Amino acid sequence: DGGITQSPKYLFRKEGQNVTLSCEQNLNHDAMYWYRQDPGQGLRLIYYSQIVNDFQKGDIAEGYSVSREKKESFPLTVTSAQKNPTAFYLCASSTPGQYQPQHFGDGTRLSIL
Amino acid sequence: GEDVEQSLFLSVREGDSSVINCTYTDSSSTYLYWYKQEPGAGLQLLTYIFSNMDMKQDQRLTVLLNKKDKHLSLRIADTQTGDSAIYFCAESIPDGNNRLAFGKGNQVVVIP
Repeated sequence: DGGITQSPKYLFRKEGQNVTLSCEQNLNHDAMYWYRQDPGQGLRLIYYSQIVNDFQKGDIAEGYSVSREKKESFPLTVTSAQKNPTAFYLCASSTPGQYQPQHFGDGTRLSIL
Repeated sequence: GEDVEQSLFLSVREGDSSVINCTYTDSSSTYLYWYKQEPGAGLQLLTYIFSNMDMKQDQRLTVLLNKKDKHLSLRIADTQTGDSAIYFCAESIPDGNNRLAFGKGNQVVVIP
């Protein structure tokens, strides 16, 4: 069954720590995306990658980093430089090209202890 | 830049129709999407429409597009309790990168 797997479902971080959120897809999609969702807000794009070994900053990339070493994986690191990291993080993927529907994972909720 | 606006809350009785509205700003040809988010879950793609179309119907879902007013609506016929969720409209940003601009979402509560 093809899909996008995000882990863990819930994540807690102490202030000053970096944490990495996992996103794996078996849809054979070239493009992958990370979004942040805050209560009552729409989704805001953090980073996106159209192809392996390449990625671009989205609208709110400060305090985050990504890598794209494999087609199926696009991990997101929330660094200590991100001052307000508590949020719901969503990963998505799509086939390459304009106007391709994005398919989403079930998200990771990050909270600060 | 792209800006997508949605109203925030709608309650509807089970069996009635729900209508969720959205306005967008980009005037170029684009795709517009409706996503559904249930509590604690990711977004599920419901339907999408290209901006040169006026209407698209898919079972209980009807999408209407008013290009002149840049107004998009999603009608859900015979609303069920399982339709309770947050609904997001999104506009494809025509920069070749397949990015989306999302509205803030509209929470729909279905009353049995």
